[in-house]
Amino acid sequence: RKEVEQDPGPFNVPEGATVAFNCTYSNSASQSFFWYRQDCRKEPKLLMSVYSSGNEDGRFTAQLNRASQYISLLIRDSKLSDSATYLCVVNSNYQLIWGAGTKLIIKP
Amino acid sequence: NAGVTQTPKFQVLKTGQSMTLQCAQDMNHNSMYWYRQDPGMGLRLIYYSASEGTTDKGEVPNGYNVSRLNKREFSLRLESAAPSQTSVYFCASSELGDTGELFFGEGSRLTVL
Repeated sequence: RKEVEQDPGPFNVPEGATVAFNCTYSNSASQSFFWYRQDCRKEPKLLMSVYSSGNEDGRFTAQLNRASQYISLLIRDSKLSDSATYLCVVNSNYQLIWGAGTKLIIKP
Repeated sequence: NAGVTQTPKFQVLKTGQSMTLQCAQDMNHNSMYWYRQDPGMGLRLIYYSASEGTTDKGEVPNGYNVSRLNKREFSLRLESAAPSQTSVYFCASSELGDTGELFFGEGSRLTVL
C-alpha cells in the first residue's frame, strides 16, 4: 500500500459545481498536511495547508480526519481556471510524502 | 521575482553521458531539494540540503550526486545517465524545511535515450 494515495481521476465537473476529493495516508503519526496545485507541465504550487480543525480559503475548504486517516479538498463554485492536478502532501516522520495527484477538469 | 531558477529546461542525453542540472534561489532559504516526477507517481525526493554545507540522501539517490555550492545554489549531477532517469526534475527551496511551503523551479525535462 502506498503511503499517500489519491484517486487519479480525471474528475470531469461542470463549471459552477462543487467537487471534492480525498487523500488517504498510512502513517497515523503524520504531523502535517498540505494540498498543492500543479497545472499541466508546470511546477507544483502550495494551495493550502490542512489544519486539524479544518480551514477555508475562499472557495476551497480542506479537512483532516485523523481517525480515518484522510484529508479532503472541497472546491465550491468551480471555475474553468481550477482545472489542474491537485497533489496531496503528508509530512510523515519528518519527510514529505507526495501523492500522485488527482486531475480535475472543469467543463464550460 | 525570480524565486527558484533551474536550468536547463530540456535536455536529451544518450545512455552513459553525464550532465548537471543547476538550481538557484533568491529567497534566502536554508533548505533546498531535488525531486523527480514520473507519470502516475508522486514527487520523489532525490537529495536535499537542510542548510549550506550539508546534503542528505532522499528516497531515490542512486545514480545522482549533488553539490550545495553556497546558500543560493544546489546542483544535481548525473554521472552516467540511464534510460530509467528519464523524468521531470524539480528543484525546490523552503524557509522552514519540511514544515513549510516549498517553492519550486519550473522543472527540467530530461530524456535519456
